[in-house]
Amino acid sequence: AQTVTQSQPEMSVQEAETVTLSCTYDTSESNYYLFWYKQPPSRQMILVIRQEAYKQQNATENRFSVNFQKAAKSFSLKISDSQLGDTAMYFCAFGANYGGSQGNLIFGKGTKLSVKP
Amino acid sequence: DTGVSQDPRHKITKRGQNVTFRCDPISEHNRLYWYRQTLGQGPEFLTYFQNEAQLEKSRLLSDRFSAERPKGSFSTLEIQRTEQGDSAMYLCASSLESYGQEFVPDTQYFGPGTRLTVL
Repeated sequence: AQTVTQSQPEMSVQEAETVTLSCTYDTSESNYYLFWYKQPPSRQMILVIRQEAYKQQNATENRFSVNFQKAAKSFSLKISDSQLGDTAMYFCAFGANYGGSQGNLIFGKGTKLSVKP
Repeated sequence: DTGVSQDPRHKITKRGQNVTFRCDPISEHNRLYWYRQTLGQGPEFLTYFQNEAQLEKSRLLSDRFSAERPKGSFSTLEIQRTEQGDSAMYLCASSLESYGQEFVPDTQYFGPGTRLTVL
């Protein structure tokens, strides 16, 4: 069975600084997807960034980038130039690739990020 | 397109009562998922539909839980004889499963959730 581990329950960062959130996962699948979702205090989950395991290039979305280390089964999220609006719970999630379909997602327990002015 | 919507947003009920939640996915999405999230935890998968067919159910989905997606559009999740342990946020998500020669990974888009409190 697949598992996702987020070892940092809480983190804080000063506005405009850079922060990295850690995620490791365990799977025997060779083809899968990885995601970072953000859940602000209003509690609607928002996709931040995704990575397909077959792609070697790390995904980037504006201030958000990932460091995907497939052999180490590590998938960290880097947030550059942190903004107050980045304050949220961040969840790492795994989706197996079944012929192009991800099926259900397996989530970590989350990291609560606080951006301080 | 207004995204995934869920109704009600909050539900308070007494132990033993039945409750039903509704999810309206993004209109062109053919997949619909239900997750449960308890305080301080990540969402846990309950079940999902491909169009109107329920393809997978988690062992978390006891006999008291039933989900439907008639006509492959909106979905309902019913909990019978609620227990205090059912108190949680129930999240719905939808995605577009694409078929064809080109590989198109789908992304799940989440609704705001229904918070259930069982007294």
